[in-house]
Amino acid sequence: GENVEQHPSTLSVQEGDSAVIKCTYSDSASNYFPWYKQELGKGPQLIIDIRSNVGEKKDQRIAVTLNKTAKHFSLHITETQPEDSAVYFCAASSGGSTLGRLYFGRGTQLTVWP
Amino acid sequence: SQTIHQWPATLVQPVGSPLSLECTVEGTSNPNLYWYRQAAGRGLQLLFYSVGIGQISSEVPQNLSASRPQDRQFILSSKKLLLSDSGFYLCAWSVPKKEAFFGQGTRLTVV
Repeated sequence: GENVEQHPSTLSVQEGDSAVIKCTYSDSASNYFPWYKQELGKGPQLIIDIRSNVGEKKDQRIAVTLNKTAKHFSLHITETQPEDSAVYFCAASSGGSTLGRLYFGRGTQLTVWP
Repeated sequence: SQTIHQWPATLVQPVGSPLSLECTVEGTSNPNLYWYRQAAGRGLQLLFYSVGIGQISSEVPQNLSASRPQDRQFILSSKKLLLSDSGFYLCAWSVPKKEAFFGQGTRLTVV
């Protein structure tokens, strides 16, 4: 089955700095890669996703890059703000019509200091 | 707009007791439905998914079962809870070939 590795497990940055979280996956059949943000005691919230036919996608301060050859993808957050503090999860799916069949990384606790 | 409801939010159950967690989705028809479990400090693990009424696929062997009695209702059950069943249970939905959205979860503690 798919194995998703995520690094780092914790990340502390100063407000205004950039944050980068990296993930690798093992199954070359995976073709959909979402990122979720989870606040304490809540369900994960989708923040951005990318499909295997695209190398990069950006949404305001958030961007995701995908390298299919190397089987890794990354989340980039620029101009971080304290409200960006949360746990971030990467995931991978080869689910076709069931893109909710996701394999998750273990998460990164991001702390943004004012 | 679509919404997903999970209840209860928290639950404390003794070992050996039964379990029933319910999830409903509003604002969409024939969604794909999913149950995930999140152990402390871990990522989410897919337990079950369903593409239609009465259709259940299990991802991992366990002490739990799932049912989908109605189009937008997904139930997670156990006949006898184990200590290892403790965790944060999340329901999610998606439409075919689209992203998944999660509910707010149920914190289950088995004592």
